[in-house]
Amino acid sequence: GDSVTQTEGPVTLSEGTSLTVNCSYETKQYPTLFWYVQYPGEGPQLLFKVPKANEKGSNRGFEATYNKEATSFHLQKASVQESDSAVYYCALVPHTGNYKYVFGAGTRLKVIA
Amino acid sequence: GPKVLQIPSHQIIDMGQMVTLNCDPVSNHLYFYWYKQILGQQMEFLVNFYNGKVMEKSKLFKDQFSVERPDGSYFTLKIQPTALEDSAVYFCASSLLGSYEQYFGPGTRLTVL
Repeated sequence: GDSVTQTEGPVTLSEGTSLTVNCSYETKQYPTLFWYVQYPGEGPQLLFKVPKANEKGSNRGFEATYNKEATSFHLQKASVQESDSAVYYCALVPHTGNYKYVFGAGTRLKVIA
Repeated sequence: GPKVLQIPSHQIIDMGQMVTLNCDPVSNHLYFYWYKQILGQQMEFLVNFYNGKVMEKSKLFKDQFSVERPDGSYFTLKIQPTALEDSAVYFCASSLLGSYEQYFGPGTRLTVL
């Protein structure tokens, strides 16, 4: 079946350093890829999505490129802030019309001042 | 942005009892979802629902689970009877028809004793 594997957390970084959260996916269908962010006490919220291979998504300084050949969608940010502390989820939904999301396990990021 | 509300935020019940989790989706959304997240584990798809029908469900969506949205009111997840392994946070989400972008509620933490 479909699956998403991402960097195991927790990840602890100092403010101003760079972030990479790896995400690899498996599906026999052509998917749209997502990064969601979840703050304490809230549901996940969309960071950005990329529906087409070889395109990049970005938001709030975060970015990821849909790499179909490598089946990867790694999340990067050049300089993290304390407010970026949250759990980050990589997810996919195959273009089959059944709207069935598959989420990764989540990566908890803690940024210290 | 658009908000999905979930009621209650916490629910504690005894094993074998019935529980109903309520979700107030974004007003013009037509596709609805439930996810289950056991503490420390990843969020897993349970079911999606459109036009009064279950479109897709996972193996986690046991026979004791049911969903409905009577007359455009709350989208509900009912568990009858509950079991200890049903203890988790349940997230509701909704989306526009034809959109892969889901909006999540803050979750209901269900504890089955």
